[in-house]
Amino acid sequence: DIQMTQSPSSLSASVGDRVSITCRANQNIRFFLNWYQQKPGRAPKLLIYHASSLQSGVPSRFSGSGSGTDFTLTISGLQPEDFATYYCQQSFNTPFTFGPGTKVDIK
Amino acid sequence: EVHLVESGGGLVKPGGSLTLSCAASGLSVTNAWMTWVRQAPGKGPEWVGRIKSKPDGGTSDYAAPVKGRFSISRDDSINTLFLHMNSLKSDDTGVYYCSTEESAAGKNWGQGTLVTVSS
Repeated sequence: DIQMTQSPSSLSASVGDRVSITCRANQNIRFFLNWYQQKPGRAPKLLIYHASSLQSGVPSRFSGSGSGTDFTLTISGLQPEDFATYYCQQSFNTPFTFGPGTKVDIK
Repeated sequence: EVHLVESGGGLVKPGGSLTLSCAASGLSVTNAWMTWVRQAPGKGPEWVGRIKSKPDGGTSDYAAPVKGRFSISRDDSINTLFLHMNSLKSDDTGVYYCSTEESAAGKNWGQGTLVTVSS
């Protein structure tokens, strides 16, 4: 199975900050990388697919980049509703493994 | 608008069986790639398995921890997806979500149903 890692595991930030989260795969997954946001008690919500494609309805302050093994999710101008846990997921091969998550909380 | 509603969760003893349902509206489960994802308490999501659409062959794939114990099926007449779970273990405890798979990503999700495996 493909292993995914994320860094940092948590971060504290303020409203308006620019935040970046890194995800790394242990093998080349080309551009098959998704990003999800999850709030407590809720299902994950798809933000980005194919590494950099913004899911319909997701604010443009969210962006994704990268290919191969290294990927980044950037939130430009953190909003109060963005405090949540973020997960990456590879969809190059089944099982579609998730990263361990990055919790973004209020500084 | 796509709407997915999971049901069937509950308390089951180790070694027992349970079938989860995912009722869909706004799409045809026959023509959709559908996925089950679970999340243990306090942990991240874990991909469980998926079934391809019937036009794409209808085959299914499973994660190693559930292979041979879990199976995915659908009933086109009631537009519902199922997850049949056998030989349940305490490690299978968690919230189970169904989702649609589009562009190799989980696009639409249900609200989840809780499965607790405990004696």
